[in-house]
Amino acid sequence: ELKVEQNPLFLSMQEGKNYTIYCNYSTTSDRLYWYRQDPGKSLESLFVLLSNGAVKQEGRLMASLDTKARLSTLHITAAVHDLSATYFCAVDPPYNQGGKLIFGQGTELSVKP
Amino acid sequence: DTGVSQNPRHKITKRGQNVTFRCDPISEHNRLYWYRQTLGQGPEFLTYFQNEAQLEKSRLLSDRFSAERPKGSFSTLEIQRTEQGDSAMYLCASSLRGRMNEKLFFGSGTQLSVL
Repeated sequence: ELKVEQNPLFLSMQEGKNYTIYCNYSTTSDRLYWYRQDPGKSLESLFVLLSNGAVKQEGRLMASLDTKARLSTLHITAAVHDLSATYFCAVDPPYNQGGKLIFGQGTELSVKP
Repeated sequence: DTGVSQNPRHKITKRGQNVTFRCDPISEHNRLYWYRQTLGQGPEFLTYFQNEAQLEKSRLLSDRFSAERPKGSFSTLEIQRTEQGDSAMYLCASSLRGRMNEKLFFGSGTQLSVL
């Protein structure tokens, strides 16, 4: 059974600092997603990573995928308050016929002035 | 149509009552999914449709839960004889099958509280 684990689960950081969120998964997968969720809101798609070594960047967020290590990272550069949210990674199980994504527990990020 | 629409946004019900939620996906999307999310957890897959066919159901989906997608457009999720453990956010998502970077677009969810 595919398991997805994120760490840390809670992250409090100061504006302007850098940090990385880690997402480990237990079986082979070809596709990994990062989502953002604000309190009481739905999930917003950030990145789709499709192959080993994939790197995508948007603004202060950069995501990468290492399929051999079964690891994805979400790197935050020079954090700002607007990035405060919960971030989820989700993995597409092998031989998946549909959007049965397996989500991690989420990382609740709080950026303080 | 700019996104996935879910109704109602909130539902409070008494234990034992039946509830029904509706989801309208992005119009050109042929896949529709239902997920459930409890506080502090990531969403958990419940079921999905491709067009009008229900292709997979999670073991989380007990006999009290039923989902339909008549005509391959909107979908409904019904919970019969609700229990307090059913309290959660029910999320609907849709996608377009066949795209290499297929990704799910989520609706705002229906928050269910069972008293």
